[in-house]
Amino acid sequence: GIQVEQSPPDLILQEGANSTLRCNFSDSVNNLQWFHQNPWGQLINLFYIPSGTKQNGRLSATTVATERYSLLYISSSQTTDSGVYFCAVEEWGRGKLIFGQGTELSVKP
Amino acid sequence: EAGVTQFPSHSVIEKGQTVTLRCDPISGHDNLYWYRRVMGKEIKFLLHFVKESKQDESGMPNNRFLAERTGGTYSTLKVQPAELEDSGVYFCASSHLNLGNYEQYFGPGTRLTVT
Repeated sequence: GIQVEQSPPDLILQEGANSTLRCNFSDSVNNLQWFHQNPWGQLINLFYIPSGTKQNGRLSATTVATERYSLLYISSSQTTDSGVYFCAVEEWGRGKLIFGQGTELSVKP
Repeated sequence: EAGVTQFPSHSVIEKGQTVTLRCDPISGHDNLYWYRRVMGKEIKFLLHFVKESKQDESGMPNNRFLAERTGGTYSTLKVQPAELEDSGVYFCASSHLNLGNYEQYFGPGTRLTVT
């Protein structure tokens, strides 16, 4: 089955810093999503981005499907950005999402 | 439009007891999925309903887990009898069917603790 790898596994930032999270996947996909799991355990949809680039406020994401990777950019980080960021992909026609192991982000004031 | 809702938000039960989790998908979403994250590990797929039919249940860990989706609306996931290793957060997600957008929307999760 498809493999999903996220890097880095952990990241500590000072408030105001920028960061880039990476997601590599091993096969072609028809769905790629980024999520933020907040301290209460809820999964928040950030981006649905099987290809191309999207921006939402301080966050943006780019997926290069031909090279099988996606990047999540966080600019001017805030303490509320802390938590675990997951990338998840769906193989063509399979339905289920395969999650990466996550990047745990900690933003210090 | 209401999002995916799950009940209860937390459940603490003893080993050997039974627990039933409920998920209400977004109205009009025919796809319904169950996932779980145990012991801080990766989020893993459990099963997928299309309307009331089980499309894929390859992720169900064993026969102590039973999922139903009566009438193609809400779904329940029953664990009977519960074991310590079942502790974790159980997520439900839903998505449209055949609209070219496969985005899945997740509920807030049910945190299950088996003692």
